[in-house]
Amino acid sequence: QQQVKQSPQSLIVQKGGISIINCAYENTAFDYFPWYQQFPGKGPALLIAIRPDVSEKKEGRFTISFNKSAKQFSLHIMDSQPGDSATYFCAASMLVSNFGNEKLTFGTGTRLTIIP
Amino acid sequence: DSGVTQTPKHLITATGQRVTLRCSPRSGDLSVYWYQQSLDQGLQFLIQYYNGEERAKGNILERFSAQQFPDLHSELNLSSLELGDSALYFCASSVEGTLPNNEQFFGPGTRLTVL
Repeated sequence: QQQVKQSPQSLIVQKGGISIINCAYENTAFDYFPWYQQFPGKGPALLIAIRPDVSEKKEGRFTISFNKSAKQFSLHIMDSQPGDSATYFCAASMLVSNFGNEKLTFGTGTRLTIIP
Repeated sequence: DSGVTQTPKHLITATGQRVTLRCSPRSGDLSVYWYQQSLDQGLQFLIQYYNGEERAKGNILERFSAQQFPDLHSELNLSSLELGDSALYFCASSVEGTLPNNEQFFGPGTRLTVL
């Protein structure tokens, strides 16, 4: 019940196109859903995050769409650029009152390649 | 730069040995998390400390242990190393107590190779 399933495993998108990565979760107690971006040789870095009280969050070219009833969320990268080529991880966490978030449960990652 | 530092960057050792990985959280962050990233298992949570106390445990082997010191830096000790322990080990930190913003900031990782 702690799993977060991510797809696709790899994705090739043409420059200027839309990259879409999907995740699904089982545990309805999850209430914080971040996306992390990881470049080779670096640690993951928070890209954008959403809580289940909203269905969409947009930050620049990056948008999270959240479907609470389906227990799914996705990352959309608009106008994809070669610099977006990286591995993307979705994650989920539970908020514990007064103590902040518990551990992040990560998806398996999507290697995104943007081609010119 | 996330503000989280990890040392060493690379570590090569032999099976059966013991190593210590070190993490310094961002200034002001009270919580430290350790994660293991391997090709077949992805990013797996190992353990979390908050202000010196163990907060949560994940898929951490009995051969592994961690602690957080009064200055808030943390160490992950790996003993009786096996080939399968070869992986990237990440430390992350977060502020805690400032709901709802509890972003975890990751360090650059330590790459452990067990020969």
